[in-house]
Amino acid sequence: KAGVTQTPRYLIKTRGQQVTLSCSPISGHRSVSWYQQTPGQGLQFLFEYFSETQRNKGNFPGRFSGRQFSNSRSEMNVSTLELGDSALYLCASSLADQGIVNEQFFGPGTRLTVL
Amino acid sequence: AQKVTQAQTEISVVEKEDVTLDCVYETRDTTYYLFWYKQPPSGELVFLIRRNSFDEQNEISGRYSWNFQKSTSSFNFTITASQVVDSAVYFCALSEAGTGGSYIPTFGRGTSLIVHP
Repeated sequence: KAGVTQTPRYLIKTRGQQVTLSCSPISGHRSVSWYQQTPGQGLQFLFEYFSETQRNKGNFPGRFSGRQFSNSRSEMNVSTLELGDSALYLCASSLADQGIVNEQFFGPGTRLTVL
Repeated sequence: AQKVTQAQTEISVVEKEDVTLDCVYETRDTTYYLFWYKQPPSGELVFLIRRNSFDEQNEISGRYSWNFQKSTSSFNFTITASQVVDSAVYFCALSEAGTGGSYIPTFGRGTSLIVHP
């Protein structure tokens, strides 16, 4: 079974731009969660989607948004990029609803650099 | 206030040594979940274990074992006979129930384990 895939793996943007990251979960998994990892703030939870509905949301500004499609693939969008948005963005999938309290499988991440 | 504290920033051991990674958490909820994850140099997080607040049984999985003690709000992780492949950053995490039945995970800052041959 293929693992969680994230595209692109690396991305360079400039301040003020917007970016869309993509995540394809393991086949059959309906829960997709997103995390941000930075040296300063560590690992932080962004949001979780299950069956196209946002189930859980972390404490991030409205510039961070996401969605999930009927095939469970998910995208997250960051608008008006700031330097502090430079991070590794990790996606995880799970079989269960409330995937964030169950076993999750992580993708390799997207490394976003904002200049 | 930090909800998950991993006081050990970095631990360095020699292969075959046993090593314990500490995790202390803080919560007022009676229902919560605790996790350990491993992040090897490749960057991909790997789920290791989940414990809910009602299950204080210790668990052993091969060379890995976990000690959950509610009395001290700790969920420590021990690697027996460490190997070079155990070198990674290990994260402890806590998921508490938020409003509306949602759960929000909080991660510790991680402990970098270096196992020397």
